[in-house]
Amino acid sequence: AQSVTQLGSHVSVSEGALVLLRCNYSSSVPPYLFWYVQYPNQGLQLLLKYTTGATLVKGINGFEAEFKKSETSFHLTKPSAHMSDAAEYFCAVSDKGGADGLTFGKGTHLIIQP
Amino acid sequence: GAGVSQSPSNKVTEKGKDVELRCDPISGHTALYWYRQSLGQGLEFLIYFQGNSAPDKSGLPSDRFSAERTGGSVSTLTIQRTQQEDSAVYLCASSVSGTSTDTQYFGPGTRLTVL
Repeated sequence: AQSVTQLGSHVSVSEGALVLLRCNYSSSVPPYLFWYVQYPNQGLQLLLKYTTGATLVKGINGFEAEFKKSETSFHLTKPSAHMSDAAEYFCAVSDKGGADGLTFGKGTHLIIQP
Repeated sequence: GAGVSQSPSNKVTEKGKDVELRCDPISGHTALYWYRQSLGQGLEFLIYFQGNSAPDKSGLPSDRFSAERTGGSVSTLTIQRTQQEDSAVYLCASSVSGTSTDTQYFGPGTRLTVL
């Protein structure tokens, strides 16, 4: 069965600092990987996804993630944090086909310190 | 264009009552998903529709939960005899065709509180 582990339920960074949110997955087949962001009282919005091809994926709002098969990781980064980045971030995997939906990690709450 | 919409946005009910949650997917999306988001369980996948068919209902938490989709569009998630553990945010998503690589677009959710 596929699974996703997000290290750190809360991550705090200063405005302007590097953001690094960690995601490791377990899958029996090459996975498709997603990062979603959830702002308070809103649904989930796709930040970026990895399907095939280039392992460094660029998304919206300056975020990017790198698929590392050898490390079974898909960490999310942003060079310089902005106050508006404060939100809940979810890593998700899909490997058995859309019919199984997405398997999500527990989420990481990103806090931006002024 | 219009995104995924859900109604009601909030629902408070008494234990033992039935509730219906509605999802309007993005027009033209053939795939529709229901998820549940709760503090204890995180985000759980419940059920998937391709058109009007749900190939696998095993993700539904109990036989009190049912879902249907009509006309390849609107979907309703029904919870019968609600229990306090059903309190959660129920999220609906849709995608173009339901493949593994499709982006799922989420609605704002329905917050269900069972007293």
